[in-house]
Amino acid sequence: DSGVTQTPKHLITATGQRVTLRCSPRSGDLSVYWYQQSLDQGLQFLIQYYNGEERAKGNILERFSAQQFPDLHSELNLSSLELGDSALYFCASSAQGQPYEQYFGPGTRLTVT
Amino acid sequence: GQQVMQIPQYQHVQEGEDFTTYCNSSTTLSNIQWYKQRPGGHPVFLIQLVKSGEVKKQKRLTFQFGEAKKNSSLHITATQTTDVGTYFCAAISSGSARQLTFGSGTQLTVLP
Repeated sequence: DSGVTQTPKHLITATGQRVTLRCSPRSGDLSVYWYQQSLDQGLQFLIQYYNGEERAKGNILERFSAQQFPDLHSELNLSSLELGDSALYFCASSAQGQPYEQYFGPGTRLTVT
Repeated sequence: GQQVMQIPQYQHVQEGEDFTTYCNSSTTLSNIQWYKQRPGGHPVFLIQLVKSGEVKKQKRLTFQFGEAKKNSSLHITATQTTDVGTYFCAAISSGSARQLTFGSGTQLTVLP
């Protein structure tokens, strides 16, 4: 158990819909990262927040957005969903703003039908 | 952006055989991390290498960082079925954009 929690574990929704994925970092960690992992694909970095502020942006689509709240939990919002958005979405946290060793949550498996 | 190439993509070995995965970059890396993801699981941090030529060992796993800090390897001696999973390297460039870029991973299958 990494100490990072993600909800929900599974999500099935239709194209065009909007979903919110939630992540709580390890106690004391200020940085949260979001990754997308498609079937048989590597980990694609989406976005990083540090202590409530956006720190780095990766290959995140305009239809996707994220935020980190004062209690340090983070939400990833995916809108106008397409079939190709079906993937595992991981949240990770680290203690510092720099990408030190990251602790991954169990992931949310999103299926868009 | 920075790319990290990882080979091989897949590796099947007989239990007891050795295994090596390689990670290469065209740019100098600030440091490199290795993660393991078991089937159906999430990536788990294994180690971070920072110094040029650094070698670190964890039981049967040996991690190396190249002298030029452009490549790294993970070697597993005498594989066991518990080693099954995908091994990812993840690198931080030495530039200003200090993102962690993951390699595509090497999926290891260990045949009993």
